Amino acid sequence: GESVGLHLPTLSVQEGDNSIINCAYSNSASDYFIWYKQESGKGPQFIIDIRSNMDKRQGQRVTVLLNKTVKHLSLQIAATQPGDSAVYFCAESWGKFQFGAGTQVVVTP
Amino acid sequence: NAGVMQNPRHLVRRRGQEARLRCSPMKGHSHVYWYRQLPEEGLKFMVYLQKENIIDESGMPKERFSAEFPKEGPSILRIQQVVRGDSAAYFCASSPPGQRNNEQFFGPGTRLTVL
Repeated sequence: GESVGLHLPTLSVQEGDNSIINCAYSNSASDYFIWYKQESGKGPQFIIDIRSNMDKRQGQRVTVLLNKTVKHLSLQIAATQPGDSAVYFCAESWGKFQFGAGTQVVVTP
Repeated sequence: NAGVMQNPRHLVRRRGQEARLRCSPMKGHSHVYWYRQLPEEGLKFMVYLQKENIIDESGMPKERFSAEFPKEGPSILRIQQVVRGDSAAYFCASSPPGQRNNEQFFGPGTRLTVL
């Protein structure tokens, strides 16, 4: 999961396994959510988004799940590859964006 | 279609100097956002601008920081009399016209180091 602070939580995943990254969002009025990937020294890169009228959305190798009851968002990455190593963070929006601190994903061979 | 451009990519300033960070949004985008990121922390919203207007500057320090997005040219984030605590990565994002709840496309960032 995500936390605010100086040390990012880390998820270590073996290459080929599935990854699940969790995010607890704060505002029950949020109606738009995005997952971003940020590699070291680069800007955030859009992965997938979902609006509050959906609870699941699939992309290429990624799936986002939204549980509005408990204000929880997750990102599933299928068949994790070395190139998936990065910091992943969620963003919620209610007209204003707020970003989580992120989860460091480390893919091991 | 070029993405969001930021320059410079790296900027070194001594305490007390001014820092100017530039952001050119994606073609057709009229909304610009500035964020600040400290190591191992998330993005902190600073300011949201549309052409010639500051829409929301609730995340920007009241002193020393200013932002503009003129009718012509890039958006500028200006930090006067920089201090060591201003050292961070500053990211710009843009989104197309319309509601604020649109996907934001990020630039590569400017890494500011204050000596």
